[in-house]
Amino acid sequence: DAMVIQNPRYQVTQFGKPVTLSCSQTLNHNVMYWYQQKSSQAPKLLFHYYDKDFNNEADTPDNFQSRRPNTSFCFLDIRSPGLGDAAMYLCATSTGSWDYEQYFGPGTRLTVT
Amino acid sequence: GQQVMQIPQYQHVQEGEDFTTYCNSSTTLSNIQWYKQRPGGHPVFLIQLVKSGEVKKQKRLTFQFGEAKKNSSLHITATQTTDVGTYFCAGYGGGSNYKLTFGKGTLLTVNP
Repeated sequence: DAMVIQNPRYQVTQFGKPVTLSCSQTLNHNVMYWYQQKSSQAPKLLFHYYDKDFNNEADTPDNFQSRRPNTSFCFLDIRSPGLGDAAMYLCATSTGSWDYEQYFGPGTRLTVT
Repeated sequence: GQQVMQIPQYQHVQEGEDFTTYCNSSTTLSNIQWYKQRPGGHPVFLIQLVKSGEVKKQKRLTFQFGEAKKNSSLHITATQTTDVGTYFCAGYGGGSNYKLTFGKGTLLTVNP
């Protein structure tokens, strides 16, 4: 089945130790998104790619970076995780444009110790 | 910037009761989408509304988009325990950056 896959599902990292989360999709969608979701809150968009075009949200900290080496894969790099970065990180994809549904992956739960 | 407000934040009902969540935008929306997130799960797309005054139904769920395209509602008739979860509305207000603005969600719990 076509889907959005995130690895790992659970990640524990130490304060200040870089971490990379990965997302892959078999939907061949043009747009890939990274969201941060904290407990009982709405998903917060960090950035997204439309094909290779990177779009960063104005309030996304510089500590967060992303790479999309090809259509199928997208990575979220957190260069120096702080305790406040502990959250669920959701990857989503869409065909493109604003009138298409987003398909979310299962998420990666990040714990910072 | 665009804001999407959603109420109530929490709703607890007895199984069989109806449930409604409301979404209001500070600006006119091009579309509104609704997502459901089960506890411990990820958001799953339910529906999209595009036209002014649009009403769509999915079994016991009724979705409405206001005439001014600034508000929307989701109504569930005769709730079941399987309806438990957080319901998010998400709207697109314009521009070319494909960004949906999510409401804070309504957590529905159902007492069997």
